[in-house]
Amino acid sequence: EVLLVESGGLVVQPGGSLRLACAASGFTFDNYAMHWVRQAPGKGLEWVSVIGWDGGDTYYADSVKGRFTISRDNSKSSLYLQMNSLRTEDTALYYCTKDKRQWLAGGPFDYWGQGTLVTVSS
Amino acid sequence: ETVLTQSPGTLSLSPGERATLSCRASQSVNSIYLAWYQQKPGQAPRLLIYGASTRATGIPDRFSGSGSGTDFTLTISRLEPEDFAVYYCQHYGRSPRTFGQGTKVEIK
Repeated sequence: EVLLVESGGLVVQPGGSLRLACAASGFTFDNYAMHWVRQAPGKGLEWVSVIGWDGGDTYYADSVKGRFTISRDNSKSSLYLQMNSLRTEDTALYYCTKDKRQWLAGGPFDYWGQGTLVTVSS
Repeated sequence: ETVLTQSPGTLSLSPGERATLSCRASQSVNSIYLAWYQQKPGQAPRLLIYGASTRATGIPDRFSGSGSGTDFTLTISRLEPEDFAVYYCQHYGRSPRTFGQGTKVEIK
């Protein structure tokens, strides 16, 4: 069974930093690209970032570029999101998701975690 | 960036009725990169359809997807009580991956 379990969500002040983690199990983690998707309270889904299977390729939404960094540790089957210079508009539930396509990113998102809540507020 | 616009915003229907949801892209997209997701309150989204028309594993055949170019449709042939939810379309071929704003299917 594929499981994605996010952690690290907290209440943080504007300008602060946070690191989210996602522990993956039930599949060969280092065969797949992984993504972060967020959802502000009562709003729709917003794609945040993707990282290739080997960590070599990363892409970001314009809204987080230069502030967020995605990374992975394949030896620990874990995905991370380092979030710096946080803004109130970054308040959201952050989901870790798995790309369906092996090796190359470019597939739909076939498994999702339950999310971790980040609240940016003074 | 491809902007996806979903309509209607809310669809009020009764169980057993047919639901037709629309997703329009701001530019032509390759249909192999168009997906639909279902999200129920308090739950993570679930992949329903990818490649515009291929059902994901375990998805009932009352769900079907169609379309090409800029116009895509998700059809639920006969609504079951568990189908009342929010549905999102997504273009996933390249970054930035984009989602539509969602269509809520509610019980009339």
